[in-house]
Formats: sequence, C-alpha cells, structure tokens
Amino acid sequence: AQSVTQLGSHVSVSEGALVLLRCNYSSSVPPYLFWYVQYPNQGLQLLLKYTTGATLVKGINGFEAEFKKSETSFHLTKPSAHMSDAAEYFCAVTVINKFYFGSGTKLNVKP
Amino acid sequence: DARVTQTPRHKVTEMGQEVTMRCQPILGHNTVFWYRQTMMQGLELLAYFRNRAPLDDSGMPKDRFSAEMPDATLATLKIQPSEPRDSAVYFCASGLTGLAEQYFGPGTRLTVT
Repeated sequence: AQSVTQLGSHVSVSEGALVLLRCNYSSSVPPYLFWYVQYPNQGLQLLLKYTTGATLVKGINGFEAEFKKSETSFHLTKPSAHMSDAAEYFCAVTVINKFYFGSGTKLNVKP
Repeated sequence: DARVTQTPRHKVTEMGQEVTMRCQPILGHNTVFWYRQTMMQGLELLAYFRNRAPLDDSGMPKDRFSAEMPDATLATLKIQPSEPRDSAVYFCASGLTGLAEQYFGPGTRLTVT
C-alpha cells in the first residue's frame, strides 16, 4: 500500500534560518513525488516534483528537495526562510495515476 | 495564464438543501479530481475522472454525493441533501495523463447550517 508521512504538523523557524520539512513515503513501485504549498484561503500550488533523473530537484521560491530511495524520503529544504514562506506544505506521491497526500506541515516564520 | 476555476467560491446553505459546485479544468487537461479539505481529516480525494469517465469515487459518500463531467470543460459535484458535516473546502484539480502533477483551483468554501 502507498502512503505519505510528514513528520511534524507544525514547524517554526526564524527568518533567515534553514527550512527543513520532512516527508517519507512507502510505495511498492517507483513513485513520482511532489511538494505543494497552500497559502491561506488558496488552493494548492505545485512547488516542485521528482519523476526521474536527477534526484535533487529545484522548485519555485528557492525550495529544493532530494529524492533518497534508500531512505524512502523526499525532504523539502530552503537555505534561508522568508516571512512570505509561511504557509502549509503538502508532500504527495503518485503511483499509477493515483495521488496520495501527506497530512501537511504548517510552517511558521518568526521575525 | 491557464488555471482551474471553481464556482462559487463561497456557499452558505441550510441543512437539507442541494448544493452544486462547478469546476472548469485547464483547457486540454484530461483528468479531473475532487478533494475535500477539513481541519480534522485534511485533504481527502472524493472522485477522479479521466477523459470524462469516473475512475475512482470510492472516497465519496454515495448516498448524498454525486460527481459528473457533462463535457470536457465542466465538472460538477453535487450534495443532496446537504448536512452540517459536509462543511469544508472543496477543491477541484486537473491534470494531463503523463504529466503526473495536478493543478488546483481556488476551492469552494461550503458552510452548511
């Protein structure tokens, strides 16, 4: 069975600090992996995706994620947090055209 | 700037009333998804269409919910009769087979009193 686990429903960082949001997945076949961001009162917006090829993928707004097959992980990072990064972040896996979303991590950025 | 549109953006209705939510997928996309988001349950997949045919609606309460795609440019989600527990934000997303990612609309915030 496929599933997505996001560790930490709330993460708080200071402005300028490293952002690390964790995502682990389980899949019986090679998955496609995604990170989405949701700002208040908006829909989900694609940040980045991994399908094949280079395991380090770069997305919008300075975010990147690395696919580590041995660890079944796809953690999201950003070197320096901005106030505008405060939002909820969802990791997702798609296997055979079916999407599985994590429960989300709310990122708070402190001045 | 192609995007998924949803109407209405907000809906307040009384228990027992019919609610219809509409979604216009991105032109050319052949997959459509309906999701429900609540604080308690998070993001739940309700239904999934490909080329207008329903492929998976296992997440949808069958007795009161129905989803259709009358044509390639319109997807509808109906609740009849509505109940207070249906209060949530309903998202539509579209995609293209082979691209893998989904593009989300802004959502319909439903409140059933």
